[in-house]
Amino acid sequence: GAVVSQHPSWVICKSGTSVKIECRSLDFQATTMFWYRQFPKQSLMLMATSNEGSKATYEQGVEKDKFLINHASLTLSTLTVTSAHPEDSSFYICSASQGSGANVLTFGAGSRLTVL
Amino acid sequence: AQKITQTQPGMFVQEKEAVTLDCTYDTSDPSYGLFWYKQPSSGEMIFLIYQGSYDQQNATEGRYSLNFQKARKSANLVISASQLGDSAMYFCAMREFNTGNQFYFGTGTSLTVIP
Repeated sequence: GAVVSQHPSWVICKSGTSVKIECRSLDFQATTMFWYRQFPKQSLMLMATSNEGSKATYEQGVEKDKFLINHASLTLSTLTVTSAHPEDSSFYICSASQGSGANVLTFGAGSRLTVL
Repeated sequence: AQKITQTQPGMFVQEKEAVTLDCTYDTSDPSYGLFWYKQPSSGEMIFLIYQGSYDQQNATEGRYSLNFQKARKSANLVISASQLGDSAMYFCAMREFNTGNQFYFGTGTSLTVIP
């Protein structure tokens, strides 16, 4: 089945630094990947839709200069949290689908970011 | 309006019993899909079951079945013969095929299986 690899699983950084999270589709090509943010005991909040070869589409209220998304190839999308602050601490999950419609969304294992 | 509504923040079930997790949805797109995911404490999202809007029969996958009532716009998940390992968060999701192909998630239901 489809596998999505997300790295790193855990990251702790100092306030003001930038953190990059990678999301790879291992056995399929993903023209579209989705980035979600999840607060404790809450649902997944869609941050942006990452499209290979073009700019990401951000959801309302998500700062695109804060959360940089790059989808340079059909198997890799990256999320960079720039100048991280403690309020950026969260669980970030990427996902990808092999296609549109009924194709299942496959998730990475998530990345827990803690900003000190 | 919320696309997906899960009204049960938490549920308890005795081991080996069946449990139903509620999900209602809202869409005007005639073509859509409904998904259920399980999220254990480790955080990974595990796909459980899928139901298409044009599917005539309710979906089943092992101990999971989806009670799809299109007119009521509900897609409840039924877990039979609950196991301790079923304790997790469960999310209902919908994808509208003609409108952006985004996935919309509900707020989740925390299921605890009691031995």
